[in-house]
Amino acid sequence: EVQLLESGGGLVQPGGSLRLSCAASGFTFSSYAMSWVRQAPGKGLEWVSVISGSGGGTNYADSVKGRFTISRDNSKNTLYLQMNSLRAEDSAIYYCAKDLHNWNSVPDYWGQGTLVTVSS
Amino acid sequence: QSALTQPASVSGSPGQSITISCTGTSSDVGSYDYVSWYQQHPGKAPKFMIYDVNNRPSGVSSRFSGSKSGNMASLTISGLQAEDEADYYCTSYTTSSTWVFGGGTKLTVL
Repeated sequence: EVQLLESGGGLVQPGGSLRLSCAASGFTFSSYAMSWVRQAPGKGLEWVSVISGSGGGTNYADSVKGRFTISRDNSKNTLYLQMNSLRAEDSAIYYCAKDLHNWNSVPDYWGQGTLVTVSS
Repeated sequence: QSALTQPASVSGSPGQSITISCTGTSSDVGSYDYVSWYQQHPGKAPKFMIYDVNNRPSGVSSRFSGSKSGNMASLTISGLQAEDEADYYCTSYTTSSTWVFGGGTKLTVL
């Protein structure tokens, strides 16, 4: 059974940083791309970033490019999202998701999410 | 990249069929057969329902089906059931190698 458990969310001031983690189990982690998708309270889904199975390929939404960095440690089956220069509009539930294939594919399994609140 | 356009809400009675549209552009929906649909119940994570326009993951009811024509994709739910009441989101791959979601549609089962 695929399991994804996010952690690291919390309250941070504007301009601050936060690192999210996602512990994965139930599948061969290195064989699949992984994504982060966020959802502001009461709003729709927004794709944030993707990383290939090997970690050699990454891509970002324009709204976070240059501020967020996605990475993975395949030896630990863990996905990360380093978020810098945080803004109020980054406040959201951040979901970790396993993608259907190794690259250029859609998320199929999702974690339960971790809440990030950017506020002074 | 602008969000795909979905109706804010749709409704139907048990047993009926409903269709949710998802309108994009030639830079996303119109360029690839990589449209997927998710179902999200309140307070829950999204559930994967349809991928590559009209494919169902294992375990998803055959009452759910997808289609696409030009820049518009659609999700059809037949034999509507009370448990289908949820928010539904479409997503498409884009020519920028990113993914874009629709704004979401709230389905009410009357």
